[in-house]
Amino acid sequence: DTGVSQDPRHKITKRGQNVTFRCDPISEHNRLYWYRQTLGQGPEFLTYFQNEAQLEKSRLLSDRFSAERPKGSFSTLEIQRTEQGDSAMYLCASSLLLSSYEQYFGPGTRLTVT
Amino acid sequence: TQLLEQSPQFLSIQEGENLTVYCNSSSVFSSLQWYRQEPGEGPVLLVTVVTGGEVKKLKRLTFQFGDARKDSSLHITAAQPGDTGLYLCAGANTGNQFYFGTGTSLTVIP
Repeated sequence: DTGVSQDPRHKITKRGQNVTFRCDPISEHNRLYWYRQTLGQGPEFLTYFQNEAQLEKSRLLSDRFSAERPKGSFSTLEIQRTEQGDSAMYLCASSLLLSSYEQYFGPGTRLTVT
Repeated sequence: TQLLEQSPQFLSIQEGENLTVYCNSSSVFSSLQWYRQEPGEGPVLLVTVVTGGEVKKLKRLTFQFGDARKDSSLHITAAQPGDTGLYLCAGANTGNQFYFGTGTSLTVIP
């Protein structure tokens, strides 16, 4: 396994458009996390899944943000009606259930909203 | 919000020098992780500490978790240019939510 992958690596969109990002975790990892990172800051936790169940979503930034992991494997993060303030790096991480504090991050998707 | 403050925010040192980065919080964490991040990439896990007072060594890097599990430090001995990067601490609470520190940007000058 080559680790966590994310697609696309870069996305440029116009304000008001919807965008969707994909994350493929390490294959045997039960947990999957989404973070947002703005320039000069540490990652900000958004949500996480255990298999297909979304166990925490109260920290999603607004109701424009949603995430799914329908079959407990890959996950998608969607941002509707994008705003310039959504420009950031969106990071995905995965971990095993029994060592959930050891997260392995993907390379991220850099979103630019113009 | 469980905030983790890191200091210093920026650090520029000569190759061969020693340095310490601090990660402090008023909250108790069930575990604490240290990551290093290169520009344009995701963070890479360096170490996890779980027990208060725990010390872990990884070659020239020494990590310590505070007795009360609220703070941590990272000490690098004889820094090398390859150590350059953004160092992040992250604390996990019992609800499996992770809170990252503000980061320390380290530059090691050859």
